[in-house]
Amino acid sequence: DAKTTQPPSMDCAEGRAANLPCNHSTISGNEYVYWYRQIHSQGPQYIIHGLKNNETNEMASLIITEDRKSSTLILPHATLRDTAVYYCIGPLPLGNEKLTFGTGTRLTIIP
Amino acid sequence: DVKVTQSSRYLVKRTGEKVFLECVQDMDHENMFWYRQDPGLGLRLIYFSYDVKMKEKGDIPEGYSVSREKKERFSLILESASTNQTSMYLCASSPSGTSGTRFDNEQFFGPGTRLTVL
Repeated sequence: DAKTTQPPSMDCAEGRAANLPCNHSTISGNEYVYWYRQIHSQGPQYIIHGLKNNETNEMASLIITEDRKSSTLILPHATLRDTAVYYCIGPLPLGNEKLTFGTGTRLTIIP
Repeated sequence: DVKVTQSSRYLVKRTGEKVFLECVQDMDHENMFWYRQDPGLGLRLIYFSYDVKMKEKGDIPEGYSVSREKKERFSLILESASTNQTSMYLCASSPSGTSGTRFDNEQFFGPGTRLTVL
Protein backbone atom coordinates (compact mmCIF):
# COMPACT_ATOMS: atom_id res chain seq x y z
CA ASP A 1 0.00 0.00 0.00
CA ALA A 2 1.13 3.55 -0.75
CA LYS A 3 2.48 5.38 2.28
CA THR A 4 2.00 8.80 0.76
CA THR A 5 -1.05 11.01 0.45
CA GLN A 6 -1.66 13.27 -2.52
CA PRO A 7 -4.67 15.25 -3.72
CA PRO A 8 -6.40 13.41 -6.57
CA SER A 9 -6.38 16.36 -8.95
CA MET A 10 -5.16 19.92 -9.43
CA ASP A 11 -5.34 22.60 -12.09
CA CYS A 12 -2.69 25.18 -12.88
CA ALA A 13 -2.59 28.02 -15.39
CA GLU A 14 -0.03 27.77 -18.14
CA GLY A 15 3.12 29.72 -17.29
CA ARG A 16 2.46 29.68 -13.57
CA ALA A 17 4.24 27.55 -10.99
CA ALA A 18 2.56 24.24 -10.27
CA ASN A 19 2.94 23.15 -6.64
CA LEU A 20 2.07 19.52 -5.96
CA PRO A 21 1.91 18.50 -2.29
CA CYS A 22 2.61 15.12 -0.76
CA ASN A 23 2.32 13.88 2.80
CA HIS A 24 4.64 11.12 3.98
CA SER A 25 4.29 11.29 7.75
CA THR A 26 5.82 7.85 8.39
CA ILE A 27 9.20 8.80 6.93
CA SER A 28 12.26 7.74 8.91
CA GLY A 29 15.91 8.69 8.91
CA ASN A 30 17.36 7.08 5.81
CA GLU A 31 14.26 7.13 3.63
CA TYR A 32 13.84 9.10 0.44
CA VAL A 33 10.86 10.47 -1.39
CA TYR A 34 10.68 9.99 -5.17
CA TRP A 35 8.57 11.74 -7.77
CA TYR A 36 7.54 10.31 -11.12
CA ARG A 37 5.03 11.49 -13.67
CA GLN A 38 3.02 9.71 -16.32
CA ILE A 39 1.87 11.51 -19.40
CA HIS A 40 -1.14 10.01 -21.11
CA SER A 41 -0.33 6.84 -23.09
CA GLN A 42 3.26 6.76 -21.88
CA GLY A 43 5.14 4.94 -19.13
CA PRO A 44 6.07 6.80 -15.94
CA GLN A 45 9.10 9.07 -16.03
CA TYR A 46 11.41 9.80 -13.11
CA ILE A 47 11.50 13.46 -12.05
CA ILE A 48 13.44 13.92 -8.83
CA HIS A 49 14.08 12.50 -5.38
CA GLY A 50 15.18 13.84 -2.01
CA LEU A 51 16.15 12.89 1.52
CA LYS A 52 15.97 16.06 3.59
CA ASN A 53 17.52 18.93 1.65
CA ASN A 54 15.71 20.74 -1.10
CA GLU A 55 16.61 19.48 -4.54
CA THR A 56 16.49 21.01 -8.00
CA ASN A 57 17.12 19.65 -11.45
CA GLU A 58 16.22 20.61 -15.00
CA MET A 59 12.69 19.33 -14.59
CA ALA A 60 11.57 20.48 -11.17
CA SER A 61 12.33 21.47 -7.60
CA LEU A 62 11.55 19.45 -4.51
CA ILE A 63 10.94 21.22 -1.23
CA ILE A 64 10.96 19.02 1.87
CA THR A 65 9.68 20.34 5.19
CA GLU A 66 12.04 20.46 8.15
CA ASP A 67 10.25 17.58 9.88
CA ARG A 68 10.40 15.67 6.55
CA LYS A 69 6.77 14.62 6.83
CA SER A 70 5.68 16.39 3.68
CA SER A 71 7.11 17.72 0.47
CA THR A 72 6.11 19.83 -2.52
CA LEU A 73 7.09 19.27 -6.12
CA ILE A 74 7.37 22.55 -7.98
CA LEU A 75 7.20 22.93 -11.74
CA PRO A 76 8.30 26.55 -12.02
CA HIS A 77 6.73 27.51 -15.35
CA ALA A 78 4.12 24.95 -16.22
CA THR A 79 3.42 24.20 -19.87
CA LEU A 80 0.65 22.21 -21.50
CA ARG A 81 3.09 19.31 -21.84
CA ASP A 82 3.25 19.08 -18.05
CA THR A 83 -0.32 17.80 -17.96
CA ALA A 84 0.13 14.35 -16.42
CA VAL A 85 -0.40 12.20 -13.35
CA TYR A 86 2.29 12.91 -10.75
CA TYR A 87 3.25 10.18 -8.30
CA CYS A 88 4.92 10.80 -4.95
CA ILE A 89 6.57 7.53 -3.97
CA GLY A 90 8.04 6.36 -0.70
CA PRO A 91 9.29 6.88 1.79
CA LEU A 92 11.84 4.19 1.10
CA PRO A 93 15.54 3.67 1.55
CA LEU A 94 18.04 3.53 -1.28
CA GLY A 95 18.27 0.03 -2.58
CA ASN A 96 14.62 -0.83 -2.13
CA GLU A 97 13.34 -2.26 -5.39
CA LYS A 98 9.67 -1.84 -4.72
CA LEU A 99 8.35 1.46 -5.94
CA THR A 100 4.73 1.62 -4.80
CA PHE A 101 2.77 3.83 -7.15
CA GLY A 102 -0.48 5.06 -5.64
CA THR A 103 -3.06 6.87 -7.72
CA GLY A 104 -1.12 10.15 -7.78
CA THR A 105 -2.28 13.68 -8.57
CA ARG A 106 -3.75 14.39 -11.97
CA LEU A 107 -2.36 17.81 -12.91
CA THR A 108 -4.11 19.70 -15.68
CA ILE A 109 -2.43 22.76 -17.15
CA ILE A 110 -5.02 25.26 -18.32
CA PRO A 111 -4.18 27.40 -21.38
CA ASP B 1 19.08 8.15 -23.68
CA VAL B 2 17.84 4.98 -22.11
CA LYS B 3 15.44 3.15 -24.30
CA VAL B 4 13.05 0.51 -23.07
CA THR B 5 10.95 -1.06 -25.76
CA GLN B 6 8.00 -3.42 -25.51
CA SER B 7 7.05 -5.78 -28.29
CA SER B 8 3.50 -4.55 -28.81
CA ARG B 9 1.47 -1.47 -27.90
CA TYR B 10 -1.83 -3.35 -28.21
CA LEU B 11 -2.54 -7.04 -27.97
CA VAL B 12 -5.78 -9.02 -28.04
CA LYS B 13 -5.80 -12.64 -26.89
CA ARG B 14 -8.39 -15.26 -26.02
CA THR B 15 -8.97 -16.86 -22.65
CA GLY B 16 -6.65 -19.80 -22.12
CA GLU B 17 -4.00 -18.69 -24.60
CA LYS B 18 -0.36 -18.51 -23.59
CA VAL B 19 0.82 -14.93 -23.91
CA PHE B 20 4.36 -13.58 -24.11
CA LEU B 21 5.12 -9.93 -23.46
CA GLU B 22 8.65 -8.94 -24.37
CA CYS B 23 10.75 -6.10 -23.03
CA VAL B 24 14.17 -5.00 -24.22
CA GLN B 25 16.45 -2.30 -22.79
CA ASP B 26 19.57 -0.95 -24.43
CA MET B 27 21.47 0.57 -21.51
CA ASP B 28 23.01 -2.53 -19.98
CA HIS B 29 20.88 -2.20 -16.84
CA GLU B 30 21.08 -4.98 -14.31
CA ASN B 31 17.52 -4.64 -13.01
CA MET B 32 14.29 -5.13 -14.90
CA PHE B 33 10.67 -5.00 -13.74
CA TRP B 34 7.15 -5.85 -14.88
CA TYR B 35 4.14 -3.89 -13.61
CA ARG B 36 0.48 -3.85 -14.44
CA GLN B 37 -1.62 -0.70 -14.27
CA ASP B 38 -5.36 -0.68 -13.67
CA PRO B 39 -7.70 2.27 -13.12
CA GLY B 40 -7.91 3.24 -9.47
CA LEU B 41 -5.17 0.82 -8.45
CA GLY B 42 -2.02 2.51 -9.74
CA LEU B 43 0.94 0.44 -10.85
CA ARG B 44 1.51 -2.88 -9.15
CA LEU B 45 4.75 -4.85 -9.32
CA ILE B 46 4.40 -8.35 -10.77
CA TYR B 47 8.00 -9.61 -10.96
CA PHE B 48 11.48 -8.18 -11.06
CA SER B 49 14.93 -9.43 -11.93
CA TYR B 50 18.27 -8.14 -10.72
CA ASP B 51 20.45 -10.33 -12.90
CA VAL B 52 20.32 -12.78 -15.76
CA LYS B 53 18.37 -15.89 -14.79
CA MET B 54 17.41 -14.30 -11.46
CA LYS B 55 13.83 -13.40 -10.64
CA GLU B 56 11.85 -12.38 -7.61
CA LYS B 57 8.14 -12.08 -7.01
CA GLY B 58 6.57 -8.70 -6.68
CA ASP B 59 3.25 -7.92 -5.09
CA ILE B 60 0.95 -9.76 -7.53
CA PRO B 61 2.84 -12.66 -9.19
CA GLU B 62 -0.10 -15.09 -9.34
CA GLY B 63 -0.93 -16.16 -12.87
CA TYR B 64 2.36 -14.88 -14.28
CA SER B 65 5.88 -16.11 -14.82
CA VAL B 66 9.00 -14.44 -16.19
CA SER B 67 12.15 -15.28 -18.06
CA ARG B 68 15.46 -13.49 -18.24
CA GLU B 69 17.94 -15.40 -20.40
CA LYS B 70 19.83 -12.34 -21.57
CA LYS B 71 20.64 -9.15 -19.71
CA GLU B 72 18.76 -6.89 -22.10
CA ARG B 73 15.56 -8.91 -22.34
CA PHE B 74 12.87 -9.63 -19.76
CA SER B 75 9.78 -11.57 -20.74
CA LEU B 76 6.45 -11.77 -18.95
CA ILE B 77 4.46 -14.93 -19.56
CA LEU B 78 0.78 -15.51 -18.97
CA GLU B 79 0.55 -19.31 -18.99
CA SER B 80 -3.22 -19.34 -19.50
CA ALA B 81 -4.64 -15.90 -20.04
CA SER B 82 -7.80 -14.94 -18.18
CA THR B 83 -10.11 -11.96 -18.55
CA ASN B 84 -8.94 -10.50 -15.23
CA GLN B 85 -5.51 -10.13 -16.76
CA THR B 86 -6.81 -7.52 -19.15
CA SER B 87 -4.64 -4.54 -18.25
CA MET B 88 -1.85 -2.18 -19.23
CA TYR B 89 1.53 -3.87 -18.74
CA LEU B 90 4.61 -1.75 -18.18
CA CYS B 91 8.22 -2.81 -18.23
CA ALA B 92 11.02 -0.87 -16.57
CA SER B 93 14.76 -1.12 -16.06
CA SER B 94 17.26 0.44 -13.71
CA PRO B 95 21.00 0.29 -13.11
CA SER B 96 22.45 -1.17 -9.98
CA GLY B 97 22.52 1.26 -7.08
CA THR B 98 25.19 3.94 -7.06
CA SER B 99 25.54 3.76 -3.28
CA GLY B 100 26.53 0.15 -3.07
CA THR B 101 22.96 -1.04 -3.11
CA ARG B 102 21.47 -3.52 -5.49
CA PHE B 103 18.84 -1.16 -6.80
CA ASP B 104 18.86 2.39 -7.99
CA ASN B 105 15.35 3.64 -7.53
CA GLU B 106 15.35 5.63 -10.77
CA GLN B 107 13.52 3.33 -13.13
CA PHE B 108 13.12 3.84 -16.87
CA PHE B 109 9.82 2.70 -18.29
CA GLY B 110 8.70 1.44 -21.65
CA PRO B 111 5.56 2.73 -23.39
CA GLY B 112 3.38 -0.12 -22.17
CA THR B 113 1.37 -2.92 -23.76
CA ARG B 114 -2.39 -2.78 -23.49
CA LEU B 115 -3.53 -6.39 -23.31
CA THR B 116 -7.14 -7.38 -23.78
CA VAL B 117 -8.16 -10.95 -22.99
CA LEU B 118 -11.51 -11.94 -24.46
